[in-house]
Parts: sequence; C-alpha cells; structure tokens
Amino acid sequence: SQKIEQNSEALNIQEGKTATLTCNYTNYSPAYLQWYRQDPGRGPVFLLLIRENEKEKRKERLKVTFDTTLKQSLFHITASQPADSATYLCAPSTSGTYKYIFGTGTRLKVLA
Amino acid sequence: EAGVAQSPRYKIIEKRQSVAFWCNPISGHATLYWYQQILGQGPKLLIQFQNNGVVDDSQLPKDRFSAERLKGVDSTLKIQPAKLEDSAVYLCASSLGGLGEKLFFGSGTQLSVL
Repeated sequence: SQKIEQNSEALNIQEGKTATLTCNYTNYSPAYLQWYRQDPGRGPVFLLLIRENEKEKRKERLKVTFDTTLKQSLFHITASQPADSATYLCAPSTSGTYKYIFGTGTRLKVLA
Repeated sequence: EAGVAQSPRYKIIEKRQSVAFWCNPISGHATLYWYQQILGQGPKLLIQFQNNGVVDDSQLPKDRFSAERLKGVDSTLKIQPAKLEDSAVYLCASSLGGLGEKLFFGSGTQLSVL
C-alpha cells in the first residue's frame, strides 16, 4: 500500500540555522508533491508545490527538492526563526486524481 | 476572500451517540475533502467530492460514517454511532480541483467521544 514517511521525532534547531525535513514515499509515483504548515489548533496551510519534472523549487527562505529516483522530497528553511516553529506536512498526489495523502508530519522547534 | 468555514469548533459526545459536522468551502471550489486527524498524526483522507459526486471514499468507515455534499457546495459529515476511537479533529478542505491545486483547510472540528 502507499506509504508516506516523515520524521516522527521533533526537530530542534537553533535560530539562524537551516532546518531540513524529509518526506519519503513508497509504492507511489506522485506527479506533484505539496508541503503544508500546521500550527496547533489550526488546519494546514499550503506552502509550496513541486512537480515531478522539477528538481527544486524556492520561495523566500523555503526550498523544496523532489528526487523521484530516491522517492524523496526535502524541505529546507534557511535562516530559521522561532516563528517557523510548527508541524510540517508533505502531501504527494498522483496525476489524474486530485487526491492528496498526507504524511505523519514533522514538528519543528526553532530555539531562540 | 472568505476561507473554509466549519462548525462546530468543538463537540463532546458519549459513545454510541451521533454527531454531524458542517463545512462550507470557498466559493467556486469544485473539490471538497474531509480528513480525520488523530493527535500526533497526519490528516487521513476520509472522503473526496468533485462537485456533488464522490471521487474517493475508500477510507470512510461506511458502517458508521456518512457524508454528503448538497448541490456541490456545503457538505455534512455524520458519525452514527460514535466510538471512542473517533476522537479526533475533523478537517474540511477545498480546492479549485485542477491538478496540483493547493488545498485550503478550515480550522476543523475537535471531537471528543467519552
């Protein structure tokens, strides 16, 4: 069955450092992969979309990579700030559907 | 632009009772999703509508859960009877429906089954 794995353990980093979060998927060939941010008590909020034919996508301090050979996406936050502390979710989607399956999420805590 | 509206925000019921959640998506969004999020886990897709038709309900426990989307706009998710393991946040999301379109989520309904 399709499986999406993210680091279940929380990631603690110092302010100003780069945070790198991992999303691995198996039995799956997504055409798109989205990343969302979720704060406590709120619904997820869209951050970035990357397509299978794109190796890398950037938006301000955020960068996403997509390696279809490794079946992995990496999400980077550069110059991290305490306000970046949240849970980050990846959600791949196959072409032909609008169905998004979410990973377990990784909780990031940026320490001042 | 108004976001996805959900109600109620919180609900506490006893097991074997029934409960209903309501969702009003963003105007013009063709696709509507219901997700269940158990504490510490990612959202799990329960059902996906395209306009007022069901696209995917493979993960919906149909013996107790039901959902409908009237006239391709508002949607209701019902649980009858509820079990303890149904305690979770129920998230509604909508999108324009094109490939790769981002999802817009409501704040969810937090359900506690005692």
